[in-house]
Amino acid sequence: GAVVSQHPSWVICKSGTSVKIECRSLDFQATTMFWYRQFPKQSLMLMATSNEGSKATYEQGVEKDKFLINHASLTLSTLTVTSAHPEDSSFYICSARNRPGQGFYGYTFGSGTRLTVV
Amino acid sequence: AQKITQTQPGMFVQEKEAVTLDCTYDTSDPSYGLFWYKQPSSGEMIFLIYQGSYDQQNATEGRYSLNFQKARKSANLVISASQLGDSAMYFCAMSQTGGANSKLTFGKGITLSVRP
Repeated sequence: GAVVSQHPSWVICKSGTSVKIECRSLDFQATTMFWYRQFPKQSLMLMATSNEGSKATYEQGVEKDKFLINHASLTLSTLTVTSAHPEDSSFYICSARNRPGQGFYGYTFGSGTRLTVV
Repeated sequence: AQKITQTQPGMFVQEKEAVTLDCTYDTSDPSYGLFWYKQPSSGEMIFLIYQGSYDQQNATEGRYSLNFQKARKSANLVISASQLGDSAMYFCAMSQTGGANSKLTFGKGITLSVRP
């Protein structure tokens, strides 16, 4: 089945530094990647939608200069948290939609990244 | 706009018993898909079951079944013969079908605890 590989699984960084999270679709081409943020015991909140070869679409209230998304190829999308602060500590997870022809438009999730900013 | 409502704060069930997790939704689109995901403490999102808005029959996947009542806009998940490994957070979600950019809208989730 469709697999999305997300790295790193967890990261601890110092306040003020930047962190890059990668999501790769291993056996299918992901034209669209969704990036979510999740606080403990809460729901997944969509941050942005990235499309291969074009600029990402950010949800209202999400700082596009702080959360840089790049979707340079059909198999790789990255989220960079710039100048991270403790309040950016969260669980980040990506999801890609399967392309047409694979039954319904299912979603495949990465395994998530736990970011801790100290 | 699409909205998913999960109001049960937490559920407890005895091992081997069945449990129903509630989900109601709101959308003006005639075509949509409904999903249930399981999220254990590890954080991974595990797909459980899918129901399309035009599907005539309720979806079933092993011990999981979806009680789809379109007129009432509800899509409850039924887990039969609960197991200790079913303890996790469960999310109901909805998407529009057809568009590659269609995003998943999640409910706030329900924590299920299975007692031995």
